[in-house]
Amino acid sequence: AQSVTQPDIHITVSEGASLELRCNYSYGATPYLFWYVQSPGQGLQLLLKYFSGDTLVQGIKGFEAEFKRSQSSFNLRKPSVHWSDAAEYFCAVGEFQGAQKLVFGQGTRLTINP
Amino acid sequence: DGGITQSPKYLFRKEGQNVTLSCEQNLNHDAMYWYRQDPGQGLRLIYYSQIVNDFQKGDIAEGYSVSREKKESFPLTVTSAQKNPTAFYLCGVGGVSGNTIYFGEGSWLTVV
Repeated sequence: AQSVTQPDIHITVSEGASLELRCNYSYGATPYLFWYVQSPGQGLQLLLKYFSGDTLVQGIKGFEAEFKRSQSSFNLRKPSVHWSDAAEYFCAVGEFQGAQKLVFGQGTRLTINP
Repeated sequence: DGGITQSPKYLFRKEGQNVTLSCEQNLNHDAMYWYRQDPGQGLRLIYYSQIVNDFQKGDIAEGYSVSREKKESFPLTVTSAQKNPTAFYLCGVGGVSGNTIYFGEGSWLTVV
């Protein structure tokens, strides 16, 4: 069965600092991998996704993620965070078989210090 | 995503009552999903539908029911059999190729 682990429940960084959010997954084949962001009380917005090809993927809002098969990881990075990046971030793994059944991690809450 | 409308945004119900959450999409996509989110947790799949008049159970379907009579609509009924229905419910729609899910703004259900 698929599973996703986000080791960090809560991370605090200063505005302008770099950010890395960790995501480890368990899946037998090449997975579909996603990062979503959620502002308080809102739905989820897709940041980026990886299906195949180049292991470094670019997303919206200046985010990128790198797929490392050997480490079963898909970490999210941003070189310089902004106060508006404060939110909850979810990593998800999917097995697309006509429908995309996603398994989500528990999320990482990001706080930005001014 | 602007093409996915969930209503109502907030709903309060008494214990023992059934309640139906609406999800409508104008994106003309086939697949639709319902997920549940509890505080401090990720999302868990309740039901999904790949085509009209067909749907499958997800990981936590007990106490829920759905219908898919139209491509645009995928309502979720939270029945009195659901032991702990208070949660945030998110509707998703599969993208053009179906392999990416886009979510609505969610509905908060509080059962008192």
